[in-house]
Amino acid sequence: GAVVSQHPSWVICKSGTSVKIECRSLDFQATTMFWYRQFPKQSLMLMATSNEGSKATYEQGVEKDKFLINHASLTLSTLTVTSAHPEDSSFYICSARFRARETQYFGPGTRLLVL
Amino acid sequence: GESVGLHLPTLSVQEGDNSIINCAYSNSASDYFIWYKQESGKGPQFIIDIRSNMDKRQGQRVTVLLNKTVKHLSLQIAATQPGDSAVYFCAESREGTSYGKLTFGQGTILTVHP
Repeated sequence: GAVVSQHPSWVICKSGTSVKIECRSLDFQATTMFWYRQFPKQSLMLMATSNEGSKATYEQGVEKDKFLINHASLTLSTLTVTSAHPEDSSFYICSARFRARETQYFGPGTRLLVL
Repeated sequence: GESVGLHLPTLSVQEGDNSIINCAYSNSASDYFIWYKQESGKGPQFIIDIRSNMDKRQGQRVTVLLNKTVKHLSLQIAATQPGDSAVYFCAESREGTSYGKLTFGQGTILTVHP
């Protein structure tokens, strides 16, 4: 199956700092990437949809100025959590899809802890 | 509103038994369904998918059944093994949803006892 990687897998930061998470599709070109957030014992919540070369589409309630998404190429999307606060601590997962309606393949996730 | 939900949040089975995980969806326009397995601390792993023009699809040790009449989806795992212990999510998308956005169910925790 398709391989999606994320970096870093773990990050601990101080409140007020910014954190960048990378999502890469390793063996296919991802026309669309998605960013999810997952709190303990809960389901995945879609944050935004990212298409290569265009602005991300954010879900209702997700602050676009706080969660900056860049999809610079067909294999890389980045999520930057700006001015992170403890409530931003969560498990962030990306997924990638080759073309419309094809299966989404997920990365291993990035656990963010904001102190 | 629209939702994809599960009947049972937890399921415990003995090794070697068959497991059945259920999922209900509320939007009759949903036309693509996926089952994912998520182990602790990892991202979801694709198991099997099915489109609305089918009512059954089989993979290796897994079968997905779709009943559009009652808007119900199930995942059957044959000869369940301890390595199958994980959280299982169903997800759906529908024609016209921007970029095939998925809606996830709440998840079922499957525990397999040796």
